[in-house]
Amino acid sequence: KQEVTQIPAALSVPEGENLVLNCSFTDSAIYNLQWFRQDPGKGLTSLLLIQSSQREQTSGRLNASLDKSSGRSTLYIAASQPGDSATYLCAVLWGGGTASKLTFGTGTRLQVTL
Amino acid sequence: EAGVAQSPRYKIIEKRQSVAFWCNPISGHATLYWYQQILGQGPKLLIQFQNNGVVDDSQLPKDRFSAERLKGVDSTLKIQPAKLEDSAVYLCASSPVGSGSYRPSYNEQFFGPGTRLTVL
Repeated sequence: KQEVTQIPAALSVPEGENLVLNCSFTDSAIYNLQWFRQDPGKGLTSLLLIQSSQREQTSGRLNASLDKSSGRSTLYIAASQPGDSATYLCAVLWGGGTASKLTFGTGTRLQVTL
Repeated sequence: EAGVAQSPRYKIIEKRQSVAFWCNPISGHATLYWYQQILGQGPKLLIQFQNNGVVDDSQLPKDRFSAERLKGVDSTLKIQPAKLEDSAVYLCASSPVGSGSYRPSYNEQFFGPGTRLTVL
């Protein structure tokens, strides 16, 4: 069964810290992996998408890495800010064809404190 | 470029009532998805359309849920009758998969703001 797991479920860090969020998946034959941000009561905002042939993607203070052989992805946030407080979701697409399905983890709820 | 639009943003109903949600995808996106997100969980796919055809509805509770995308653009999701366990956020997403501009190496989903449903 293809599953996505995110640990920890919640994380609290002081402002300015660098932090890493973890995502693991059971089947290494992925098509791509996306990291999303979700603010309370809101929809999902796509942060980074990594194709299966890529090792990492960067956007501003965010860096996502992908290691298919170990079934892991990490989202690195540099110099965290209170505005980064949100739930971060990892989602994996297996197959890539028309009928492929995005499978989500349960998310990591991040709190950045002053 | 306008994003995915959804309405209403919030809905409160009593159990056994009916409710409908509307979604307008990003212009030109052939594929549309409806997800259900229960509090504390990741989104779960309910149904996927490509143009006006259903690609996957294997996780849609068909005894009470229905969805349509008649003209291949906007879509409605209906629940009739609602149960307490239907309380969730309903998310709509769209993707260029199946569109003329689609590149096989690019398969990204874009999400709307969601509709928060509370069933009392």
